[in-house]
Parts: sequence; structure tokens; C-alpha cells
Amino acid sequence: AQSVTQLDSHVSVSEGTPVLLRCNYSSSYSPSLFWYVQHPNKGLQLLLKYTSAATLVKGINGFEAEFKKSETSFHLTKPSAHMSDAAEYFCVVSAITGTASKLTFGTGTRLQVTL
Amino acid sequence: EAGVTQFPSHSVIEKGQTVTLRCDPISGHDNLYWYRRVMGKEIKFLLHFVKESKQDESGMPNNRFLAERTGGTYSTLKVQPAELEDSGVYFCASSTVHQGQGGYEQYFGPGTRLTVT
Repeated sequence: AQSVTQLDSHVSVSEGTPVLLRCNYSSSYSPSLFWYVQHPNKGLQLLLKYTSAATLVKGINGFEAEFKKSETSFHLTKPSAHMSDAAEYFCVVSAITGTASKLTFGTGTRLQVTL
Repeated sequence: EAGVTQFPSHSVIEKGQTVTLRCDPISGHDNLYWYRRVMGKEIKFLLHFVKESKQDESGMPNNRFLAERTGGTYSTLKVQPAELEDSGVYFCASSTVHQGQGGYEQYFGPGTRLTVT
């Protein structure tokens, strides 16, 4: 069984300040972890993914996440927020059994960026 | 390259009616997934096709939901009869064939917002 917990439902930051969106996971297997973003009226877009290679993963738009096995965490960070970062972010864990696969989503964190 | 498309973008129906949602995956993607987000809840897996075969339908809520993928191309998800609790956003995703370890990306469509009144 696997699950993810996003610790904050809403995060508000000022433009130009750092972003931290927190995620903890639980998995019976060595997990694959993802962060997806959804802007209003848009589909889900992959920001970055961890697949047991480097523990620090760089994604699009300046985002990165660090896989910490000892803490079962996969927090998403960005050094400087931009207004266009305002969106909902989802931490996701993947399970593969045979050829089947499905994603398990966290409840989402809505990021607000203010001037 | 066209992304995953879904139709309609919005649907409002009355309880007891039937609705059919359509998903066109990225061309060449054998894997097709349906997910649903009920208001205030997390996005949940419904089912997974590999080509035209249902690989995993463990997330389907009940027998009022029927998914098909004839010919292994587009997929439809029919809800019959619709109930109030079926309201939510239905997402479709597709990916290429994967083997072994994960890390492959699922490409998502914009979703269909279903409202049952």
C-alpha cells in the first residue's frame, strides 16, 4: 500500500520569496515520486519526478525536490516565487505491479503568490 | 504533437440521466488511465487500459460506471444512471508502454467537470 500526505492545503508567499511545499510518503516498495501542477482550467502538468537516481531532482520552472528516505519526505522548493507559480500542486507516488500502474495523489496544496 | 484531449469540458445533467465522457490519448500511447476528483477530496484512480484491455479497474466505484476503449485508441466512460455523488472532475491520462521500474510520465488531459443535479 502507498500514500502521500501533503502537509499544507494552502501556502501563501510573496513574489520573490522562497517556496516550500511539504510532502511525506508511505510506500511498501522503493517509490517513484512526482510533483504535478494544475493551473486554473488547465490539465495536470508534470513538474519533476524521482525514480531512485539522484536524490535531488530538478524540474521545470526552477522547481526542485529532494528525496529523503530517512524522513520519508519529498518536499518541493523554489528559491524565488513568481506570480505565474500560483496554482495547485500535487505530490504523487506511483506503484507498479506487473504491467499495471496507477498514481496515488495527495490532497493538493494551493499556492498563492502575492505582490 | 497534440496532447490528451477530453470532451466535453463541462457537463451538467440531472440525477438518473446518462452521461458519456470521452478521452483521446496521445497518439501511440498504449496506456490510458481514468482518474476522478470529487470536490474537496484527492484525485483518485479509476482504471487503467493497456491498448483495449482493462488492466486494472480496482478504482471503479460501482457498476454504474462503464469504461471502454474499442480498438485501443480513444476511451469512453459512461455513467448510467448518474447520482449526485458522481459530481466531480474526471481526468484522463496516457503514457507509453513501460517495463520494470517506474518513472514514466503520465500525460493528463484538462478534465471533464461533471455536475449532477
